[in-house]
Amino acid sequence: AQSVAQPEDQVNVAEGNPLTVKCTYSVSGNPYLFWYVQYPNRGLQFLLKYITGDNLVKGSYGFEAEFNKSQTSFHLKKPSALVSDSALYFCAVRGDSSYKLIFGSGTRLLVRP
Amino acid sequence: GAVVSQHPSWVICKSGTSVKIECRSLDFQATTMFWYRQFPKKSLMLMATSNEGSKATYEQGVEKDKFLINHASLTLSTLTVTSAHPEDSSFYICSARDPRSGANVLTFGAGSRLTVL
Repeated sequence: AQSVAQPEDQVNVAEGNPLTVKCTYSVSGNPYLFWYVQYPNRGLQFLLKYITGDNLVKGSYGFEAEFNKSQTSFHLKKPSALVSDSALYFCAVRGDSSYKLIFGSGTRLLVRP
Repeated sequence: GAVVSQHPSWVICKSGTSVKIECRSLDFQATTMFWYRQFPKKSLMLMATSNEGSKATYEQGVEKDKFLINHASLTLSTLTVTSAHPEDSSFYICSARDPRSGANVLTFGAGSRLTVL
């Protein structure tokens, strides 16, 4: 069965510093990996995905993620954090059946001024 | 881009009553929609896959008689929480894939917060 792990409940960074939100996955077959962001009392917004191709994927709002097959990881990164990046971030993998997503537990990102 | 609308965005009801939440794809047709439940400070739990014109597929542990899903058209899926109790209070989020995108990306609604008194 497909699964995703986000080992950090919360990540704290100072504005302007680089940020990393960690994600590891377990899949049978080729992984379809996603990052979504959720602001308070809102639905999820798509950030980026890895299906195939380059291991470094660029997405919305300056975020990027690096697919590492040997480490089964898909960490989310941003070179310079903004206070407005503070939100709940979810890593997800496509499930066994078409298109449904299995989510990690979420990581809350707090960017302090 | 693809837009998914949920209604109501929040609802308060008395214990024992039923509540219906609508999920609409506004600018595309969705043969499949997904219903998620999010507990406070927790991840999203997939409840069921809603299939247009056929029965929903429920995830293990989700009571199909408690959470009725109907997908009567290509743009509308409804989730009805029957005989709601306080433990059903949660944030319910639906999602759908725009088949025009061909990109495996799901679009999510803004969510519906249910509070059962």
